[in-house]
This record gives sequence, C-alpha cells and structure tokens, in this order.
Amino acid sequence: DTGVSQDPRHKITKRGQNVTFRCDPISEHNRLYWYRQTLGQGPEFLTYFQNEAQLEKSRLLSDRFSAERPKGSFSTLEIQRTEQGDSAMYLCASSFAYPLREGYEQYFGPGTRLTVT
Amino acid sequence: QKEVEQDPGPLSVPEGAIVSLNCTYSNSAFQYFMWYRQYSRKGPELLMYTYSSGNKEDGRFTAQVDKSSKYISLFIRDSQPSDSATYLCAMRPRGSTLGRLYFGRGTQLTVWP
Repeated sequence: DTGVSQDPRHKITKRGQNVTFRCDPISEHNRLYWYRQTLGQGPEFLTYFQNEAQLEKSRLLSDRFSAERPKGSFSTLEIQRTEQGDSAMYLCASSFAYPLREGYEQYFGPGTRLTVT
Repeated sequence: QKEVEQDPGPLSVPEGAIVSLNCTYSNSAFQYFMWYRQYSRKGPELLMYTYSSGNKEDGRFTAQVDKSSKYISLFIRDSQPSDSATYLCAMRPRGSTLGRLYFGRGTQLTVWP
C-alpha cells in the first residue's frame, strides 16, 4: 500500500448531474477525511469517519452532499444536482486514531478535480 | 476573520536563499501544528509536525511554534528549485475526537536557479 488513492482524478460534468468520488485510504488507517479546496485557498474540512461511523460534518456539507464509508474501508462522496460552485479539488486524507494517545498525522491523496460546466 | 491566516505571496527567491514562511492563528485551543507542501494540481504532502511550542528540525526544514504569540513559522535553508510549491500551514486542537485540520490559504513559493 503506497498511500491514499482517489478515483477519478478528473471529472467534468454538466450542472444538475450527480457525481460520485471514491477514496481508498492507507490500509492500516481507521480515520478518513474529506476536504474541498478551491483555487488559491487551503483545504476546507467537509467530513470525517472513524471506521464506518461518520463523526463530524461541516456546515459546508449541504444536503446535496453525502458521504459513506461502508465496512470502514473505502469511502465515497456523492454530490447531487451539481452546481458551478461545486467546482473544486476534492481531497481525501487518512490517519490513525489513538484514543489514549495524542497526535497523529493526516496523509492526503492526489485529489479529484471536479469541473461543473 | 479566518481562524488561520497565511500570506499567499507569491514569494520568489534565488536558489540557496533562506525562506521564511509564517502563519498566525486566533484559536488558543490549537495544539498541533503541521506544514504541508503542495505541488500544482497535486494533493498536500506532510512536511513537518509539531506539538505545542518549540522548534523541530528535519534536514533543511525547521518548524517553530510560538503559542504565546499564536504564530508559527517554517524555515527552509539552502532552498532548491524543487522546493517551488505552495506551502500550507495546518493546525488542530487537542483531543482525539477532534479530527479536522484548519488550514491557511497557502503561500506560493518559487525558487529560481
């Protein structure tokens, strides 16, 4: 396992269409995160999972966005009825979680670049 | 006001220069501080990770945290053209249930030969 992988790397879609992205984390990691990054900005948190449980969602995650992590392995992020404002890089990251230990690192995948026309 | 502020640059330096990159933050609960490097159209790559205040050195990179001033820095010595990238600071509060990272907007660095 060489790192976090994301698929597809690029997606062009028309406004109003639904899109789904996939993230495969580093296999030993039990936490998985989704971020969104627009041009000239840092990544913004969307949501994260510990195993299969979705523990936190940002206000950025409108009802058109849904994320799942069945069986605590890969995750999918779906955007329904896409809008031009959804155009961004969608980044996935993974990490360990140590309930009794502070400190861990998040490792990012290459991202999925979404363009909504 | 954003919780993490970072000057976007761009910053342009000659090869061999010492580069100083900085971020300020407003949330005193932040305890863990990271620097990521991001090449164009790629995902962020973790460079440095520090806890609370102090310095940490790794090769040509030194990370400093001054919690009293809510100010963090990344120094790059003997900069190389391959260091040309966007540098993102990130941080999070203490607490294992608190997962999200808070990022600055990134500083774009160009090192010219």
